Amino acid sequence: SSELTQPPSVSVSPGQTASITCSGDKLGQKYVSWCQQKPGQSPVLVIFQDNQRPSGIPERFSGSNSGNTATLTISGSQSVDEADYYCQTWDSRMMLFGGGTRLTVL
Amino acid sequence: QVQLLQSGAEVKKPGASVKVSCKASGYTFNNYNIGWVRQAPGQGLEWMGSISGYNGNTNHEQKFRDRVTMTTDTSTSKSYMELRSLRSDDTAVYYCARLRSSGGTNYYFDYWGQGTLVTVSS
Repeated sequence: SSELTQPPSVSVSPGQTASITCSGDKLGQKYVSWCQQKPGQSPVLVIFQDNQRPSGIPERFSGSNSGNTATLTISGSQSVDEADYYCQTWDSRMMLFGGGTRLTVL
Repeated sequence: QVQLLQSGAEVKKPGASVKVSCKASGYTFNNYNIGWVRQAPGQGLEWMGSISGYNGNTNHEQKFRDRVTMTTDTSTSKSYMELRSLRSDDTAVYYCARLRSSGGTNYYFDYWGQGTLVTVSS
């Protein structure tokens, strides 16, 4: 089965734009979702179907997916956005997760 | 509102089995699959498998296929995940999550349970 590769960590200054990538073979031909997980909490869906935001997720979260790379973008990052972020895709009747990216806002 | 309420923490000895429950509310249980995901301490998310709330059909990650059983009880809107022959590296938080589909291969988890810590120790 395919693998999804994410950078282990990304740092961003408050108010700046953070981009977290997720790479996989022909990923652009599949749908990608993203979840956010803060320490000691359950994951929360922030993007589904490549670029759709669930209700209640701030507009600063956006997503794209093309070629072999999906990207989660957080515009105007805030301290509350510090968390681990995981990409996911469904492939061959299985859910694949990326290894996760720790976002630090400092 | 959609909620998934999981059973409490468990401590098990190596070789034992554990059964985690997940009670769904706020939606029609039969209309969605439930997935099971685990997270070892300090590690990422790992998909274990999923089960249909409609007919109980399952699919599993290959590595768990021989040790895991997923079931549902539609009368109580509960899903269960049993893991057998526990080892120390099965120590993890186990999550249930509602699997949403928007057609084709577009599947994602839209709601998650609070997690159940399973500790395997002699």
